[in-house]
Amino acid sequence: DTAVSQTPKYLVTQMGNDKSIKCEQNLGHDTMYWYKQDSKKFLKIMFSYNNKELIINETVPNRFSPKSPDKAHLNLHINSLELGDSAVYFCASSPGTFRGAQYFGPGTRLLVL
Amino acid sequence: SQQGEEDPQALSIQEGENATMNCSYKTSINNLQWYRQNSGRGLVHLILIRSNEREKHSGRLRVTLDTSKKSSSLLITASRAADTASYFCATDTGNQFYFGTGTSLTVIP
Repeated sequence: DTAVSQTPKYLVTQMGNDKSIKCEQNLGHDTMYWYKQDSKKFLKIMFSYNNKELIINETVPNRFSPKSPDKAHLNLHINSLELGDSAVYFCASSPGTFRGAQYFGPGTRLLVL
Repeated sequence: SQQGEEDPQALSIQEGENATMNCSYKTSINNLQWYRQNSGRGLVHLILIRSNEREKHSGRLRVTLDTSKKSSSLLITASRAADTASYFCATDTGNQFYFGTGTSLTVIP
């Protein structure tokens, strides 16, 4: 059984489009995250979210927005895609905020043309 | 600014040798974690060491933490070809979580 799953695995789109990436976890965790990994493998946290609090990394453009329909899902919506948004986006979850191990999804490779 | 910096950036060893990678960070932490990322895959949690711990073991992994020097090291003993991956440290500062720059390990069979 996949613990943290993401769809789609690959996403190729044009500049200016709006797209969403879906994430689901079946671990019963309280906190979910979105990370961006650039071409140099640098990983940056974008959001952490539990049912009480959304923590946004202040460097993330407001074109990016997390949407959580329930505790097991945290989707990432991106408006007006730009070339610099091309990266691998990882979803992760953990039992509590930062304090323990995070479980990562397989990643979504986004290419903006 | 970067919270975690790892060195070396790349490491190539023969199977059976030990691999050591280091992580330095800038601000005080609650815990430090190590993750492995195989090519094209998500990250896998390896080990967590709390700020009041100095050493931790898990199988062939040994992690040390020196809070006075703001550094940690990950030792992989008796390396195997399957250990080939990128290794990242990550620090929990209490209100933020940062990944290091990563060490790319290649184990040659």
